[in-house]
Amino acid sequence: ETGVTQTPRHLVMGMTNKKSLKCEQHLGHNAMYWYKQSAKKPLELMFVYNFKEQTENNSVPSRFSPECPNSSHLFLHLHTLQPEDSALYLCASSQEGGSGNTIYFGEGSWLTVV
Amino acid sequence: SQKIEQNSEALNIQEGKTATLTCNYTNYSPAYLQWYRQDPGRGPVFLLLIRENEKEKRKERLKVTFDTTLKQSLFHITASQPADSATYLCALGGNNRLAFGKGNQVVVIP
Repeated sequence: ETGVTQTPRHLVMGMTNKKSLKCEQHLGHNAMYWYKQSAKKPLELMFVYNFKEQTENNSVPSRFSPECPNSSHLFLHLHTLQPEDSALYLCASSQEGGSGNTIYFGEGSWLTVV
Repeated sequence: SQKIEQNSEALNIQEGKTATLTCNYTNYSPAYLQWYRQDPGRGPVFLLLIRENEKEKRKERLKVTFDTTLKQSLFHITASQPADSATYLCALGGNNRLAFGKGNQVVVIP
């Protein structure tokens, strides 16, 4: 069982839909992340939140909108996505400020855009 | 440009043998390097961390080496088992950020 839980595990949405991915970490960490993983590509960092403040946005299109209401919860709001956005979306957390930033991942949310 | 290279071809290995994976990087000066395991449809799981001033790290049947001159890390699984079949990701760390390679699949044949 992972200390980072993501829901839903699978999501199919049309290009005009609005949906959200949810993540919760039970590890007491101060940083949370959204990563995108597509086939044959390395993990792509999308957003970083540190103490619930967004500290990084890696040129992610505005159709992806993150929200971090507190240091334990992270959302990814999805709106008017494209088929190429279909991928595995991974939430992760870590304790920043340590001497080796180990990332703890959730199981991921498989997103299919039709 | 910065690159992290892992072999794109799957490594097929007989059970009981040692599997060795390579992670090469360019234009990075990582403070540490990590290896993760990822099973199909699951999130990566942390395995080992090795710092820039360390040459070798071991954990049970796993061994990692880190050569900052060659800009390379080797990841070994000794006495491999079918349960070791997975994709293994290397990640370079520094400034509280990790950059991941694409991963290298290992298939252990019984």
